[in-house]
Amino acid sequence: KNEVEQSPQNLTAQEGEFITINCSYSVGISALHWLQQHPGGGIVSLFMLSSGKKKHGRLIATINIQEKHSSLHITASHPRDSAVYICSLGGSQGNLIFGKGTKLSVKP
Amino acid sequence: NAGVTQTPKFQVLKTGQSMTLQCAQDMNHEYMSWYRQDPGMGLRLIHYSVGAGITDQGEVPNGYNVSRSTTEDFPLRLLSAAPSQTSVYFCASSYSPGLFTDTQYFGPGTRLTVL
Repeated sequence: KNEVEQSPQNLTAQEGEFITINCSYSVGISALHWLQQHPGGGIVSLFMLSSGKKKHGRLIATINIQEKHSSLHITASHPRDSAVYICSLGGSQGNLIFGKGTKLSVKP
Repeated sequence: NAGVTQTPKFQVLKTGQSMTLQCAQDMNHEYMSWYRQDPGMGLRLIHYSVGAGITDQGEVPNGYNVSRSTTEDFPLRLLSAAPSQTSVYFCASSYSPGLFTDTQYFGPGTRLTVL
């Protein structure tokens, strides 16, 4: 069983739609990171969470430690949001675990 | 600040050749790491370093060597390239090692093809 599962694997949305990407994990963690990988390949850190909720512009990330689940929401999606979104965990044993990513395509 | 830089951006090697992928950061980060990214798989940790002079193996270390003689630089050496090492390689750094409670900064990646 994978230690971190993301859903969906692929997501196509129309511009303006509200988007949710989910991340479930099965191990103890110190922190959870949401990363964005642009079509050109570069990886950018969006959020680091250890509890609660964070917001940056149109992006909102939440985490429920008890349920071992995190969500990334994008409000009023735009074609420039098209990217692969990766959930990664800072494991309690000092390792970093990555999900396989969710490929988002936002159509104009 | 340049952040995390990687060179080269692209490289083609023949089986058996050796080469070094360069990674440097100018943020005075203690923790640096190398990952490979293959289609259909998440990023996988190759080697990491928690400070100058200290390195350790990650999930997929075979065929790779690293050293950390300075805080800034963390080169990855392919000893004898194999087609299975065809991948995109990312270097990353963060301020403090350990439990990954700091923002991770990634380099732009190196796309390596081994023929």
